[in-house]
Amino acid sequence: GAVVSQHPSWVICKSGTSVKIECRSLDFQATTMFWYRQFPKQSLMLMATSNEGSKATYEQGVEKDKFLINHASLTLSTLTVTSAHPEDSSFYICSATGNNSPLHFGNGTRLTVT
Amino acid sequence: DAKTTQPPSMDCAEGRAANLPCNHSTISGNEYVYWYRQIHSQGPQYIIHGLKNNETNEMASLIITEDRKSSTLILPHATLRDTAVYYCIANSGGSNYKLTFGKGTLLTVNP
Repeated sequence: GAVVSQHPSWVICKSGTSVKIECRSLDFQATTMFWYRQFPKQSLMLMATSNEGSKATYEQGVEKDKFLINHASLTLSTLTVTSAHPEDSSFYICSATGNNSPLHFGNGTRLTVT
Repeated sequence: DAKTTQPPSMDCAEGRAANLPCNHSTISGNEYVYWYRQIHSQGPQYIIHGLKNNETNEMASLIITEDRKSSTLILPHATLRDTAVYYCIANSGGSNYKLTFGKGTLLTVNP
């Protein structure tokens, strides 16, 4: 149980375009989802907290207009990287929890902006 | 989250037990100790968590000292596939699941 699916697993896009990443909880309802970013050889950094039906809460230094988060249902949250630039190239990972179960993570999305 | 301290790296022979330590001397009474691991280029995988008592599941055992200031994750029979970065995190869970990841311990299991 407690499977979190993330799609796509990797994506290459051109500078200036937008990319959407999906995060789904497959076998549980996730009232809260979290989005992390990980640069090479670094640890995971929390970007934002996504609550179903309400606006996401962003960590300090994360631009909410650049990283759009939508949590429209209890099983789906999306992260859209708008007007992507090469410095946005990173490993994006979502996680979800429901009913006080431990946090479970997706397998990440490798974004490369050329 | 209370600050946790882990050694940056450890080695273990295949088939032997891997004991990964973690210090969390400022942990508060309602904070659990969570362990996750991250294999290269994958998302973190939940391993185990505990509050006061020792815990065991199919993956590992968690030993928490009586004063809760430190803990040890034990992989009883390490395999090559256990090579990963292991993260120890103190968090109160529930509605406050904002896990803060430190640098973790890179465990290398050698043949």
